[in-house]
Amino acid sequence: AQKVTQAQTEISVVEKEDVTLDCVYETRDTTYYLFWYKQPPSGELVFLIRRNSFDEQNEISGRYSWNFQKSTSSFNFTITASQVVDSAVYFCALSEGDTGRRALTFGSGTRLQVQP
Amino acid sequence: SQTIHQWPATLVQPVGSPLSLECTVEGTSNPNLYWYRQAAGRGLQLLFYSVGIGQISSEVPQNLSASRPQDRQFILSSKKLLLSDSGFYLCAWSLNGDQPQHFGDGTRLSIL
Repeated sequence: AQKVTQAQTEISVVEKEDVTLDCVYETRDTTYYLFWYKQPPSGELVFLIRRNSFDEQNEISGRYSWNFQKSTSSFNFTITASQVVDSAVYFCALSEGDTGRRALTFGSGTRLQVQP
Repeated sequence: SQTIHQWPATLVQPVGSPLSLECTVEGTSNPNLYWYRQAAGRGLQLLFYSVGIGQISSEVPQNLSASRPQDRQFILSSKKLLLSDSGFYLCAWSLNGDQPQHFGDGTRLSIL
């Protein structure tokens, strides 16, 4: 069965610090997808990135970057020069199984607090 | 563009009462639809998913049920709510199983 582990329950940083959120996954499938979602205090889940298992290139989008390493089954998320608006709970998720299902298995989330 | 609507935003219900939460998607056809529940301070648990009208798959045994009477409508129901049904319920859609899921604003359900 698939599993997603976000060992960091809560992280607190001061604005402008860099912060890395860890995600480790387990799956038996060779084809799978990894996601990061942001859940601000208002509650809605905001999609950030999707990565398939055959693409190990790191990705950068503004202050956000993602490091995917199949060798260690990790998909870590780094926020550079953090801002107060980055405060939220961040979820890593794994999608596998038949195409019709592709439901997401979520990690337990990491609460990031960015202090001014 | 596609949008997803979920209502109500909050709901307070007594134990033993029925439940109906509704979710609709606009701007796309034949989406995959999902219901998730998030307990306080925890991750999301998939409850149901649907790949088409009338096609519902249940992920966990519970006293909840789901229905998809129309292509872009997904309903979560219960005949008798339990205290353990409290939580934050999120509806989501995706174009197909490989694409990102997009979530509604959620319903905060409190059972008294």
